[in-house]
Amino acid sequence: EVQLLESGGGLVQPGGSLRLSCAASGFTFSSYAMSWVRQAPGKGLEWVSVIGDSGGNTYYGDSVKGRFTISRDNSKNTLYLQMNSLRAEDTAVYYCTKVFVFLWFGGFDPWGRGALVTVSS
Amino acid sequence: QSALTQPPSASGSPGQSVTISCTGTSSDVGGYKYVSWYQQHPGKAPQLMIYEVSKRPSGVPDRFSGSKSGNTASLTVSGLQAEDEADYYCSSYGGSNNVVFGGGTKLTVL
Repeated sequence: EVQLLESGGGLVQPGGSLRLSCAASGFTFSSYAMSWVRQAPGKGLEWVSVIGDSGGNTYYGDSVKGRFTISRDNSKNTLYLQMNSLRAEDTAVYYCTKVFVFLWFGGFDPWGRGALVTVSS
Repeated sequence: QSALTQPPSASGSPGQSVTISCTGTSSDVGGYKYVSWYQQHPGKAPQLMIYEVSKRPSGVPDRFSGSKSGNTASLTVSGLQAEDEADYYCSSYGGSNNVVFGGGTKLTVL
């Protein structure tokens, strides 16, 4: 069974940094692109970033470009999201999700349970 | 990139069919065959229900179907059941290595 478990969420002040991790199991992690999607409290889903299976290709949503960095360690089956210069509007549950088909934009499944990031002073 | 447009709510009685629309532009929904639909129950993670406009992942009931016409994609849930009550989100490839989501539709089973 595929499992994705996020960690590293919490409360951070505006302008601060936080790193999320996502431990993957139940599939050959190094064979799949992975993505982060977030959901602000009571709001809809917003795509954040994606990384190719080898880590060579990374793409970001406009709202996080230049502030967030996605990475992965295939030897540890772990996905990361380094978040810098955090703003109040970054407050959200961050979901780790596996790319479902060959093309990374073809769909995401499954999803982890999410990690809550709260940016507030 | 603007979010795709979904109706905030939809409803139907058990056994009925309901269709949720997702309107974009020729730069996203209308330009690619990469439309996905997700179901999210309260407090839970989303689940992929439809990918590539009309394909169903293994395990998703065939009561769920997807289609697209021009810049509008649609999710139809036939034979509504109580457990179908949830939020539904569409997404589409938006070109330039970007994915855009809809604002979500709350489906109520009356």
